[in-house]
Parts: sequence; C-alpha cells; structure tokens
Amino acid sequence: QKEVEQDPGPLSVPEGAIVSLNCTYSNSAFQYFMWYRQYSRKGPELLMYTYSSGNKEDGRFTAQVDKSSKYISLFIRDSQPSDSATYLCAMKVDSSYKLIFGSGTRLLVRP
Amino acid sequence: DAGITQSPRHKVTETGTPVTLRCHQTENHRYMYWYRQDPGHGLRLIHYSYGVKDTDKGEVSDGYSVSRSKTEDFLLTLESATSSQTSVYFCAISGYQSTNTGELFFGEGSRLTVL
Repeated sequence: QKEVEQDPGPLSVPEGAIVSLNCTYSNSAFQYFMWYRQYSRKGPELLMYTYSSGNKEDGRFTAQVDKSSKYISLFIRDSQPSDSATYLCAMKVDSSYKLIFGSGTRLLVRP
Repeated sequence: DAGITQSPRHKVTETGTPVTLRCHQTENHRYMYWYRQDPGHGLRLIHYSYGVKDTDKGEVSDGYSVSRSKTEDFLLTLESATSSQTSVYFCAISGYQSTNTGELFFGEGSRLTVL
C-alpha cells in the first residue's frame, strides 16, 4: 500500500465549476501537507501548503486537512481553462526535507 | 523562476550504457533532490543532498548514484542504464524555509529513454 493515495483522473469539468481534489494517507506522522500544480511537460510548482489540520484559503483555492480521517482536499472555485493541469498532493513529517508525493490527478476544465 | 537548469533535456540511449544527468542551480540553496516521475507513481525520490559531498538515498535509489562536488551542481548517474529507468527525471532545490513550507523548486525535467 502506498503511503499517499490519489485518484489519477482524468477529471473533466465545465468552466466555472467547483473542483474537489483529494488524497488519503496512511502515515499519522505527516504534519505538513502541500498541493503542487504541474502543467504538461513542466516541473511541478507549489500551490499551497498547510500545517496540521484545518483550512487555508488563497484566492480561488482552498486546502483542507482532516488528520483524524487522514484525508486532504483541494477545492478550486470558479474553475478556469488555465487550471487544466495535474495536481499532486505531497506530505512530510516535521523537520524533514523529504516530501512524499501522490501520483497526481489530471484536471481538464472545458471552456 | 528559480534558477535551475537540467541537462540534457532529452536523451535516448541503449541498455547497458552509462548516463549522467546534470542539475545546476544559481540560487545557492543547500538542498538538492533527484526525482523520477512515471505514470501511476507520481514523483519518487531517488537521492538527495543536504550539502557539498553530503548525499543520501531516497525510496528508489537502486541503479543510481549521485555526486555533489559544488553547491550549484548535483549529478545523477545511471552506471548501466536499463529499460526500467526510462522516465522523466526532475531535479529540485530547497532552502531552510522548506522545513516549514515544503516548497521545492523544480527544474524543467530530463526525459530519458532507454532502448
């Protein structure tokens, strides 16, 4: 069993829809939770990070962490065609420099 | 964009040949990483470095070696390439703040095909 599980998609939604992307994990020691966005043939870039449980909002993006369920989510409001990319969740334990990545979910936002 | 350059960007080689991928950074970051990305597996850590001449293994290090003789350069070597090492390889860098943010800066990737 992988430490971090993520549905590969693809997820196809119309422009303006609310998108929900999710990851589950098995290691209860994870304390930091990140979402990376990766455009085709590019390297990933950090979208958001969250420490421990709770919500964090940044513009159209909201990250949620539920440590009791070992479940994290990324919500995208008013999705745009430019949001079409692969979204990877990542996690790490405290004071570590090593990230564990999910396999990524491919998102397509149709105009 | 973070100053990370990977070379070569594309390479086709034959089974059994040695291959070296280079990562060069201009950010003076302490930490450097090599990941491979394959469908269904996401990004998997091969090796990482926490300083000049200081390296450690990641989760998929078999068949790979690394060297870091200067802060700015991190080399990944496949001593004898195999078809299972066909992949896209990403270099990443991070500074001390990444312990709190998990932020890695990635290069553009090197696409390796082993025939």
